[in-house]
Amino acid sequence: EVQLVESGGGLVQPGRSLRLSCAASGFTFDNFAMHWVRQVPGKGLEWVSGISWSSSPIAYADSVKGRFTISRDNAKNSLYLQMNSLRAEDTALYYCAKCSAYGNIDYWGQGTLVTVSS
Amino acid sequence: EIVLTQSPGTLSLSPGETATLSCRASQSVSSTYLAWCQQKPGQAPRLLIYGASRRATGIPDRFSGSGSGTDFTLTISRLEPEDFAVYYCQQYGSSPPRVTFGQGTRLEIK
Repeated sequence: EVQLVESGGGLVQPGRSLRLSCAASGFTFDNFAMHWVRQVPGKGLEWVSGISWSSSPIAYADSVKGRFTISRDNAKNSLYLQMNSLRAEDTALYYCAKCSAYGNIDYWGQGTLVTVSS
Repeated sequence: EIVLTQSPGTLSLSPGETATLSCRASQSVSSTYLAWCQQKPGQAPRLLIYGASRRATGIPDRFSGSGSGTDFTLTISRLEPEDFAVYYCQQYGSSPPRVTFGQGTRLEIK
């Protein structure tokens, strides 16, 4: 059974940093691309960043480019999102998501909540 | 950048009826790279359809996807109470790995 468990969310002040982690299990992690997707409570889904199985290529949404860094450790079956220079508009539930062999997202974690506020 | 526009924003139907949800892309999209997911309150999204028309594992055949080019449709036949949720279309690419979501259609009980 595919499991994706996010951690690292919390309350942080504007301008500060936070690192999210996603522990993956139930599939061969280093075979698949992974994504981070976020959702402001009550709003729609917003794609944040994606990383291939080999860590290259990588892509970011314009809204986070230059501030967020996605990475993975295939030996640890883990995905990460380093978030710097956080803004109030980054407040959201952050989902870790697995890509299928076809490229679509096929599994989602339960999310970790990030709140950026002074 | 491809923009996906879903319509209607909200659809009010009764159990047993058929729901037709639309997703329109700002430019032509390969049907290989179009998916639909469902999200219920307090839950993570769940994949329903990928490759425009292929049902994901465990998805009932009441759910069907169709379309090509810029116009795609998710049809839900014989609506069950558990089908009332928000539905998102998504367009994806693999190199680099990137996803675009529509803004969602809320399917509510009439």
